[in-house]
Amino acid sequence: DAGITQSPRHKVTETGTPVTLRCHQTENHRYMYWYRQDPGHGLRLIHYSYGVKDTDKGEVSDGYSVSRSKTEDFLLTLESATSSQTSVYFCAISDLDRGNQPQHFGDGTRLSIL
Amino acid sequence: AQKITQTQPGMFVQEKEAVTLDCTYDTSDQSYGLFWYKQPSSGEMIFLIYQGSYDEQNATEGRYSLNFQKARKSANLVISASQLGDSAMYFCAMRENAGGTSYGKLTFGQGTILTVHP
Repeated sequence: DAGITQSPRHKVTETGTPVTLRCHQTENHRYMYWYRQDPGHGLRLIHYSYGVKDTDKGEVSDGYSVSRSKTEDFLLTLESATSSQTSVYFCAISDLDRGNQPQHFGDGTRLSIL
Repeated sequence: AQKITQTQPGMFVQEKEAVTLDCTYDTSDQSYGLFWYKQPSSGEMIFLIYQGSYDEQNATEGRYSLNFQKARKSANLVISASQLGDSAMYFCAMRENAGGTSYGKLTFGQGTILTVHP
């Protein structure tokens, strides 16, 4: 299994509070991604990173920010959480530098905004 | 427009039978990749199989094969000899500009829930 750890695994918080989700990898892969999974939508890309301090927006980036200060960690922040951000969040990594490699996913974080 | 379409919200199959899960895609790129992932009820995402747009042979991985029909823009997953443990959600995904600067981003379909009956 790819060494990807997401924390926390579960979180319940209130509307308007800041939330940070962490993705930690031990594979030294350059590419990292944050997705959210909602019923009827599959997984949708929030933000991605192609190196330390190199990040960009995905399909559903509004209300989210990310940071990557070192290769192994990719943080997703909800500055002021809203109920619409209740979802399951997945981090993924990819070793694209070795060619057409698949993304490997963490176990997910279930986030509930009340 | 949907880039990845999985038209079967749910599928049922008898144990030991084969099943085909449909996936159609839309892209104007010549170079792209197609992936299938399995998500069991425990929630993790498991990579199953990959097909590159320039691959001449259909991809196979054990009991999984990908029926790739480029002209029809379809990439159906075939599971042979279904097992009870195959019951899960299955996602088709596409990576465009596979040889360029897509950064490996994936677009997912909505998924198909497969139930295997004993």
